[in-house]
Amino acid sequence: AQSVTQPDIHITVSEGASLELRCNYSYGATPYLFWYVQSPGQGLQLLLKYFSGDTLVQGIKGFEAEFKRSQSSFNLRKPSVHWSDAAEYFCAVGAGGSQGNLIFGKGTKLSVKP
Amino acid sequence: GAVVSQHPSWVICKSGTSVKIECRSLDFQATTMFWYRQFPKQSLMLMATSNEGSKATYEQGVEKDKFLINHASLTLSTLTVTSAHPEDSSFYICSARETGVTHEQYFGPGTRLTVT
Repeated sequence: AQSVTQPDIHITVSEGASLELRCNYSYGATPYLFWYVQSPGQGLQLLLKYFSGDTLVQGIKGFEAEFKRSQSSFNLRKPSVHWSDAAEYFCAVGAGGSQGNLIFGKGTKLSVKP
Repeated sequence: GAVVSQHPSWVICKSGTSVKIECRSLDFQATTMFWYRQFPKQSLMLMATSNEGSKATYEQGVEKDKFLINHASLTLSTLTVTSAHPEDSSFYICSARETGVTHEQYFGPGTRLTVT
């Protein structure tokens, strides 16, 4: 069965520091992978996605993620974090089939220190 | 483009009453829409998948008679929580998949339901 693991429940970084949020997936075929961000009380905003092709994906707000098939990972990175990046981040994998529903990780809460 | 709205954004209702939540795709047609539930500080749990003009597919453990889903048009899906109880209090989020496009969903802003 497909699954997504985000090992870090909560991460705190200083403003201006680099960031890496980890995501590991379990899926039999080539996965469709997504990173979403959620601010408190809000819906989800898509940061970036990987379907195929270049394994380094650029997203909005200066985020990027790298698909590594050998490690079943899709880690999210940002070279310099801004205070406004504080939010909950969810990694998701497309579950396949005609419905195309998503399976989400448990999320990583990012706090940013001034 | 690809905007999904939900209405209401928050609602308070009394135990035993029913409440309807609307999910609309504003600038695209969505054959398939998804309903998720999110408890505080937790991830999204898929409740059901609704397809325009057909019955919804519910995930295991979700009571279809309690959470009624109707997807009567290509831009509107509704979730009705019937005979609501305090344990139904949660954040409900819908998403919509553009017709002909697989594996990319656009999410609504969510609806906060509080049952007193």
